[in-house]
Amino acid sequence: EDQVTQSPEALRLQEGESSSLNCSYTVSGLRGLFWYRQDPGKGPEFLFTLYSAGEEKEKERLKATLTKKESFLHITAPKPEDSATYLCAVQVLNFGNEKLTFGTGTRLTIIP
Amino acid sequence: NAGVTQTPKFQVLKTGQSMTLQCAQDMNHEYMSWYRQDPGMGLRLIHYSVGAGITDQGEVPNGYNVSRSTTEDFPLRLLSAAPSQTSVYFCASSYFPTRQGEAFFGQGTRLTVV
Repeated sequence: EDQVTQSPEALRLQEGESSSLNCSYTVSGLRGLFWYRQDPGKGPEFLFTLYSAGEEKEKERLKATLTKKESFLHITAPKPEDSATYLCAVQVLNFGNEKLTFGTGTRLTIIP
Repeated sequence: NAGVTQTPKFQVLKTGQSMTLQCAQDMNHEYMSWYRQDPGMGLRLIHYSVGAGITDQGEVPNGYNVSRSTTEDFPLRLLSAAPSQTSVYFCASSYFPTRQGEAFFGQGTRLTVV
């Protein structure tokens, strides 16, 4: 069974304090790994797609990386507006159908 | 572009009532889907559609129906609401099933069944 595990569940950082969020996965036939940002009361907002081990994507203070077993979302010098829940999901090919499995998210709080 | 529009934003139902959650997208996306989000669980797929006239079940389809008569609209029907259907519902769309992770999500519908 495909599994996606995000850690930590919650993370509090001081403004400017860099850190990383983890998304580990156990799947067969990975087609892509995705990161999203979700603000309270809103739908997830797509951030990045990673397709193969070694790939990296960057956007402002965020950088996503991928290995064969996990992905990291690195946050450099975060600001309070980076506070949100960050979700990851993996897409696999399952009996001829594409299937997306989500993790439970990491709730990130940046303290001014 | 409005993106993905969901209505209503909030809804309270009594057990046994039925209702339809509306979802519309203006991006000409082929793939549309409905998820529910519950505390401590990842988003779970209810139903999805790969194009007008084509729908299929996801992980948790029981108690829900969908139809896709146009590319733009993908309503979700609750047939007879149960307290276990209390959740936040998200509609999403993407260009193709092979790119379903690159999804645009609606704002969500917070449903409470009493």
